[in-house]
Amino acid sequence: GPKVLQIPSHQIIDMGQMVTLNCDPVSNHLYFYWYKQILGQQMEFLVNFYNGKVMEKSKLFKDQFSVERPDGSYFTLKIQPTALEDSAVYFCASSLGLGGRDAEQFFGPGTRLTVL
Amino acid sequence: GDSVTQTEGPVTLSEGTSLTVNCSYETKQYPTLFWYVQYPGEGPQLLFKVPKANEKGSNRGFEATYNKEATSFHLQKASVQESDSAVYYCALGDNSGTYQRFGTGTKLQVVP
Repeated sequence: GPKVLQIPSHQIIDMGQMVTLNCDPVSNHLYFYWYKQILGQQMEFLVNFYNGKVMEKSKLFKDQFSVERPDGSYFTLKIQPTALEDSAVYFCASSLGLGGRDAEQFFGPGTRLTVL
Repeated sequence: GDSVTQTEGPVTLSEGTSLTVNCSYETKQYPTLFWYVQYPGEGPQLLFKVPKANEKGSNRGFEATYNKEATSFHLQKASVQESDSAVYYCALGDNSGTYQRFGTGTKLQVVP
């Protein structure tokens, strides 16, 4: 079936540095999402993105976070600067639509971010 | 706004016993309902979806009925196996243009 890829699978950085997480969504999908999962906890919604704009974001989507998808390339999540509490697995997802059957989301395998 | 509430976990069951994970939703629309499963070390994946009220979805021995009157979509399996150990997410996708709402997830651990 359709695949979402995430690069890298694991990233280790020092607190205060910038990090960019990359997502290659399903090719014909229009809606893109990021989720955060702290070790041992459930997944939580961060943001969704459509047509070059953030549509909705949660309170977890701090000012230090930004998303973009320049020229149809990777959908990225940038954190600048990073904090210790940003350590988590970040999942990217994409969907064809927003409602009904088309709302089915396809998830990537996740990027494990470790902030030291 | 739309919301999804599901059984709080973790839930621990013995192999061969039955499972019910409750899911209730709130929406003013006519949603499509989803169950996703997340195995350890992986991203969530769709278990099944049901677009119409009073219909049932099923996959891998799991099933759920879209009960519009009760606004519920409870996940059931008659006999769980150790390989069913995972986190299960109920989700709602309505047609109003808002993004899909996920429940908080229910962690299931099946022991031999």
